[in-house]
Amino acid sequence: IAGITQAPTSQILAAGRRMTLRCTQDMRHNAMYWYRQDLGLGLRLIHYSNTAGTTGKGEVPDGYSVSRANTDDFPLTLASAVPSQTSVYFCASSETNNNEQFFGPGTRLTVL
Amino acid sequence: GQNIDQPTEMTATEGAIVQINCTYQTSGFNGLFWYQQHAGEAPTFLSYNVLDGLEEKGRFSSFLSRSKGYSYLLLKELQMKDSASYLCAIMDSNYQLIWGAGTKLIIKP
Repeated sequence: IAGITQAPTSQILAAGRRMTLRCTQDMRHNAMYWYRQDLGLGLRLIHYSNTAGTTGKGEVPDGYSVSRANTDDFPLTLASAVPSQTSVYFCASSETNNNEQFFGPGTRLTVL
Repeated sequence: GQNIDQPTEMTATEGAIVQINCTYQTSGFNGLFWYQQHAGEAPTFLSYNVLDGLEEKGRFSSFLSRSKGYSYLLLKELQMKDSASYLCAIMDSNYQLIWGAGTKLIIKP
């Protein structure tokens, strides 16, 4: 059982490029989330999805988009990367939106 | 506004007990979570409190006082592997988690 996986593990990206971070879970969880984690700050929610076919904006959604075509996958897209998007990105899932969340291993993204 | 406060860093000795505090002010409350995060790794779930009182789980216990906006995580019989960051998070009225910046716990032999 893989749980929740993310790809790539790390990426260096030129500013202005488009990038999609992938997230897949095999736990049949309804809810999925994207967070960014920056030094000295708490995890900040970018976007979430309470069930397949629906998405919502979190605390810091600008510059990011998501889709939830099925239960398992929740990709995060940066349409035109900027240096302030340099961060560690974590995908998470939970059975429903009021249960504990399980985290993927993270993607370390550097935008130059 | 929403605010969660935790100490930035704490140091403790192997075999001892340490208490990590978390105070919060949030829009609505649907529970408080504690997560552990080792350096370079993902957060992992430790505990959940929604009612006042103490929840014990092995060497770890978590306490909640909703009226005081206060929680603590108690770690007993500290081991070197407990060196990690401990994250406090509140589930708000929209069922979204609001996270504290975390407490880095350093265990010394």
